[in-house]
Amino acid sequence: DQQVKQNSPSLSVQEGRISILNCDYTNSMFDYFLWYKKYPAEGPTFLISISSIKDKNEDGRFTVFLNKSAKHLSLHIVPSQPGDSAVYFCAASAFGNQFYFGTGTSLTVIP
Amino acid sequence: ETGVTQTPRHLVMGMTNKKSLKCEQHLGHNAMYWYKQSAKKPLELMFVYSLEERVENNSVPSRFSPECPNSSHLFLHLHTLQPEDSALYLCASSQDGDPYGYTFGSGTRLTVV
Repeated sequence: DQQVKQNSPSLSVQEGRISILNCDYTNSMFDYFLWYKKYPAEGPTFLISISSIKDKNEDGRFTVFLNKSAKHLSLHIVPSQPGDSAVYFCAASAFGNQFYFGTGTSLTVIP
Repeated sequence: ETGVTQTPRHLVMGMTNKKSLKCEQHLGHNAMYWYKQSAKKPLELMFVYSLEERVENNSVPSRFSPECPNSSHLFLHLHTLQPEDSALYLCASSQDGDPYGYTFGSGTRLTVV
């Protein structure tokens, strides 16, 4: 049973616009969430995180929102840049245990 | 070298071959992981080693055999694989309490023919 789901396998956005990537989870015990970014031929790299005690975390152009009641988190990138084109994975863990990953969303930012 | 290094980057092997994937981390982390990434599937955790002891084996077939000789090195020994085992195999490391989660290597792209 997949505990972390990314239902959009791909997303295309015009440069300068906002990119919104979504992630849903089923385990209410998850208390820490990460977004990873992956370029082709490279491993995933940490992008931004959020703890369940917060509902928003911002780092430059990247903001993650957490809606615990809906078991939903989203990553907002604004403004989107061509270099943001990559696959984005969300991941969740409970009490510092292993992370569960989604299937990823491939973002293409069109110049 | 820094970070997590995986070799080889690409591997093509026949179903009767024996090969090994290597992972090395230079971060002083105390846990290492093998993940499998297949198309349109989530990253699948295969094995976890914490302080050089295997703590998790997610029902992985015995044709995959991990080895962790020390806290910096992790191997995945491959034996009589199937074509459906073709995937990207990612190694990761972490340290307890690290808020950044895992540090991943670049992966080994495995093709079984």
